[in-house]
Amino acid sequence: QQPVQSPQAVILREGEDAVINCSSSKALYSVHWYRQKHGEAPVFLMILLKGGEQKGHEKISASFNEKKQQSSLYLTASQLSYSGTYFCGTEWSMNRDDKIIFGKGTRLHILP
Amino acid sequence: DAGITQSPRHKVTETGTPVTLRCHQTENHRYMYWYRQDPGHGLRLIHYSYGVKDTDKGEVSDGYSVSRSKTEDFLLTLESATSSQTSVYFCAITGAMNTEAFFGQGTRLTVV
Repeated sequence: QQPVQSPQAVILREGEDAVINCSSSKALYSVHWYRQKHGEAPVFLMILLKGGEQKGHEKISASFNEKKQQSSLYLTASQLSYSGTYFCGTEWSMNRDDKIIFGKGTRLHILP
Repeated sequence: DAGITQSPRHKVTETGTPVTLRCHQTENHRYMYWYRQDPGHGLRLIHYSYGVKDTDKGEVSDGYSVSRSKTEDFLLTLESATSSQTSVYFCAITGAMNTEAFFGQGTRLTVV
């Protein structure tokens, strides 16, 4: 089952903050976050593991609430380069035959 | 950049013809995935592999088959292409569960 992302799309002005949410109906072991620019492949941002801490690099960070089976991606003081579609990907176990299931994505557009 | 290449990058084919897409990696990664990307659906898992000759179905596997006879190659075959299989196909690799995924550049397939 695909994780559910919200919102589907968001438009911001440069310098504003955004939050993208990802929720699952199943217990999660890890949550991935990727960004995709138009016409390009998705690029890894970060991964959060069960029992791990909130992660971040520069002005992009994420949290993982295991009890609520959800993760949130925080983009602060957004830049034009943050525009794109953000995907969360979920894994439910450490089993060798598990797989990554992605959500439908959140389109983020930053205006100057 | 991770060594992952997809071929062909673009293909137009007729309904009813067989089509094979190739994903080749030079990273010696164990896990390989095939996703399709369509507007409004995000990335949907078609098939994945957790080792040579070890494959399993994803969410949208009907009409597709895969093979992995070597670590470096993961082939996706459309036995008899249909217009509903017009899409952008992405291959991805990971070295272990719950780690970063690297994506190929995608294959744009049009079935007419």
